Amino acid sequence: QKEVEQDPGPLSVPEGAIVSLNCTYSNSAFQYFMWYRQYSRKGPELLMYTYSSGNKEDGRFTAQVDKSSKYISLFIRDSQPSDSATYLCAYDSGAGSYQLTFGKGTKLSVIP
Amino acid sequence: SQTIHQWPATLVQPVGSPLSLECTVEGTSNPNLYWYRQAAGRGLQLLFYSVGIGQISSEVPQNLSASRPQDRQFILSSKKLLLSDSGFYLCAWSQGGQYSQPQHFGDGTRLSIL
Repeated sequence: QKEVEQDPGPLSVPEGAIVSLNCTYSNSAFQYFMWYRQYSRKGPELLMYTYSSGNKEDGRFTAQVDKSSKYISLFIRDSQPSDSATYLCAYDSGAGSYQLTFGKGTKLSVIP
Repeated sequence: SQTIHQWPATLVQPVGSPLSLECTVEGTSNPNLYWYRQAAGRGLQLLFYSVGIGQISSEVPQNLSASRPQDRQFILSSKKLLLSDSGFYLCAWSQGGQYSQPQHFGDGTRLSIL
């Protein structure tokens, strides 16, 4: 079983829609959760960083973590064409490791 | 604030030629540094990471090597490039001396081998 599963998409939504992006993981040692946004031909950019279960909000973005179900989500409200990018989830085990485990990314297109 | 610089942005090299990609970080000291390769459909593959000058950990045996000659400088090299070395190479940094820190990426180098 893969450690991280992320639907590659592509996901296409109209401008203004609420977007839901999801990742599931199998390693119960994962403790820290991140979402990155990557525009074409650019490096990933950190969007959200969270540790605990529950919701964390930053502007139009909400990260949701459910450790019991090993499931994390990123919600984008009032989506804009500038949100068109690939979104990657990432995890850290917190067990003395400097490494992250990344999902393969979901490609999102927001249509004007 | 911290910034990371990677160059060149694009590189086209013939098979068998050497390679040197450079990455520097500003605004922090003793960062952890990372080299990744990103291939379409395969996600981010960690190649090397470093927790200090001269300290390199290799994750994938391959045709590449890494060096950290200065605290905030990380170099990816090859003596002879293979066709399979084509890809998008990303450098990243995280806060040194601490676990479980998010990583911050440069804008990458797109390497094409002919």
